[in-house]
Amino acid sequence: DGGITQSPKYLFRKEGQNVTLSCEQNLNHDAMYWYRQDPGQGLRLIYYSQIVNDFQKGDIAEGYSVSREKKESFPLTVTSAQKNPTAFYLCASSTRRTGSVEKLFFGSGTQLSVL
Amino acid sequence: AQTVTQSQPEMSVQEAETVTLSCTYDTSESDYYLFWYKQPPSRQMILVIRQEAYKQQNATENRFSVNFQKAAKSFSLKISDSQLGDAAMYFCAYRSNNNDMRFGAGTRLTVKP
Repeated sequence: DGGITQSPKYLFRKEGQNVTLSCEQNLNHDAMYWYRQDPGQGLRLIYYSQIVNDFQKGDIAEGYSVSREKKESFPLTVTSAQKNPTAFYLCASSTRRTGSVEKLFFGSGTQLSVL
Repeated sequence: AQTVTQSQPEMSVQEAETVTLSCTYDTSESDYYLFWYKQPPSRQMILVIRQEAYKQQNATENRFSVNFQKAAKSFSLKISDSQLGDAAMYFCAYRSNNNDMRFGAGTRLTVKP
C-alpha cells in the first residue's frame, strides 16, 4: 500500500545531542513537509520541499535542518541549537502540480522528548 | 507568509445539532486552496473538506459544508447533525500555489450527548 512512514514513533534526546527523524513516502509525491505540534496547539511549518535538492524554511526553522537527496525521503534533524525540542512532529507529502487542490498525506508522527 | 486565524479555541455542540467553526486568513494571492482537517485524540490528520479559491460554489461533503467568502477572506466550516465521533481538534489550512501550506491554531470541538 502507498503511504508515508515516520520513524521512530517515540524519540528521546539528551542535552547537546542531534537527533534525526525519518520520513519516507512511496506515493511519488514531489512536495514534502515537516510540521511541529505542541500540546493543544496547531501545526507550525518547519521546512518544506517542492523537489529533490530544494527546500524552503517555514516559520520555525531555527535549530532544525533538512535534506532532500531522494524524492522518497525528507529527514529532519533536530540540532542542539533547538533549546525546546519536546513536541510532536508530523511529516506530510503531496503532489506539486500547480493548480492542484491535492490534499496533504500525513505520517503518524514522532513524539520527541528531552531527557 | 500567509497567516491563518481560528478565533475559537473551543466550541461545544449538542449531538444532532449544527455548529460552525470560524477561520480567516491573510493573503495577497488570488489563487490558492483552503482545507479543513480533523485531528482526533489519535493525532492522525484527516481531511474533512477542501475548496479552490477560484470556485464560487461552496464545497460540501455529506454533513460538512463550508461558507467561503473570498472578499472577506473567510472560510468557515459547518457541521450538521453533529455526531459523537465529530469530537476532535479542527484545523483550517491555506495552501498557496507554490505549495507552502499553513495551518491555524485549531478549534477543539466537544459533542455533548
